[in-house]
Amino acid sequence: DTGVSQDPRHKITKRGQNVTFRCDPISEHNRLYWYRQTLGQGPEFLTYFQNEAQLEKSRLLSNRFSAERPKGSFSTLEIQRTEQGDSAMYLCASSHVGSGANVLTFGAGSRLTVL
Amino acid sequence: GNSVTQMEGPVTLSEEAFLTINCTYTATGYPSLFWYVQYPGEGLQLLLKATKADDKGSNKGFEATYRKETTSFHLEKGSVQVSDSAVYFCALSVNNNDMRFGAGTRLTVKP
Repeated sequence: DTGVSQDPRHKITKRGQNVTFRCDPISEHNRLYWYRQTLGQGPEFLTYFQNEAQLEKSRLLSNRFSAERPKGSFSTLEIQRTEQGDSAMYLCASSHVGSGANVLTFGAGSRLTVL
Repeated sequence: GNSVTQMEGPVTLSEEAFLTINCTYTATGYPSLFWYVQYPGEGLQLLLKATKADDKGSNKGFEATYRKETTSFHLEKGSVQVSDSAVYFCALSVNNNDMRFGAGTRLTVKP
């Protein structure tokens, strides 16, 4: 397994456009998380899935953001009508929740720049 | 809500110096506690963890002890190296649900 893969690694878009990021988790992991990270800050929780079910969504997440994990494998994060404030690194992580602690494995991230 | 607060950086040390990065937490249940590290140009990776009170997590010479009485999980290393230069994040997870991170502490170790 090659770990958590994210695509694209970098996206530059104009304000008002829609963007979509894809995350492919580690294949045996049942949990998938999305975070946003801006410069000098820690990862900010956005949402997470267990298999195909979206279990929690941050109250800070505007309705322009939507995430899916239709078959319990890869996930997409879409941002509609992008704003300059959406510029950030979008991180995906996956984990297998069993009897031990919930250890997240992160991807390299997708950097969004909104002009 | 559940959150962690970690000491602000940046922290600059000379090689072989002692390192402490403070982390305190607030949680409504019984959290698991973590330290993640982000080396320059790389993604976040787990450094160490502890799942219950008085547990000590350790890895690569780093240690942190889960202190329920002080709600703390301070990261320590007895002798830092230049290769330890990175950003360190304290994190918690309650009941294996979402993971919450601190703001990060940037460590620079000079030769």
